[in-house]
Amino acid sequence: EVVMTQSPFSLPVTLGQPASMSCNSSQSLIHSDGNTYLNWFQQRPGQSPRRLIHRVSHRDSGVPDRFSGSGSDTDFTLKISRVEAGDVAVYYCMQNTYWPTFGGGTKVEIK
Amino acid sequence: QVQLQQWGTGLLKPSETLSLTCAVYSGSFSGHYWSWIRQSPETGLEWIGDINDSGDTNYNPSLKSRVTISVDTSKNQFSLRLTSATAADTALYYCARGFPMVPIDWGQGLPVTVSS
Repeated sequence: EVVMTQSPFSLPVTLGQPASMSCNSSQSLIHSDGNTYLNWFQQRPGQSPRRLIHRVSHRDSGVPDRFSGSGSDTDFTLKISRVEAGDVAVYYCMQNTYWPTFGGGTKVEIK
Repeated sequence: QVQLQQWGTGLLKPSETLSLTCAVYSGSFSGHYWSWIRQSPETGLEWIGDINDSGDTNYNPSLKSRVTISVDTSKNQFSLRLTSATAADTALYYCARGFPMVPIDWGQGLPVTVSS
C-alpha cells in the first residue's frame, strides 16, 4: 500500500493571502506509462469531496486558476494563490498510480 | 451533471452483510467507472473498488475478500456488498462516477453503522 502523508494538519490563513500544503508518498508515483497519477480533492464542510486537480497539475473543469498543483516523484504541493472564504475545506491528495490511497487531509481555515 | 442516489442498509449487526445501491440519473452510464469509497474519522477516506458497464472490476486488496461490486445496466445502477461486517466498517459510504480507480463526481454519501 502506498502511504500518503499530508502536512500541515491545520492551516490557518488570512483572506487574500496564499496557502500551501504538502503531500508525500511512500514510493514514487511515476507510472510505467510515464504519467504521475496524483490528484487533489476539496471537501467543504458538510459536502462530498470534489476533485480539483489530476495528474499533479491539471485543473479540473470549473476549478479557479487560484488553485495550482506541482511536484514530482514523491513530493507534491497544492497552492491557493489568494484564499477566499469558500476555500475553507479539507484538502486531500490521492494517488492512483497504484490502487488508490488518500492522504489524511489538510484543513484550511480562516484566521 | 450526473446525479447519484444511494440507498441501502444503514444499521447492521457484526457479521452481517452490508448492501448498498447507487442509481445514476442525468448522465451516461456507459463509458465510465463507478466507484465506492468510504470515510470515517478513524481511517479517513478509503477507496473500496469500482466497476464499469461491462462488469470489469477493481478492488482494494485489503477488502477484496469481502467485497463484491456489481452493475445492472438495465436500471443504471451499481451495488456494493461487503460481507462479515465489523465495527471497523462503520463509515459514510459514497458512490461516485469517474475513471478506472479515480472517483470524480461523488454522491452525497450514506452513513452505515455496524453495532450489536
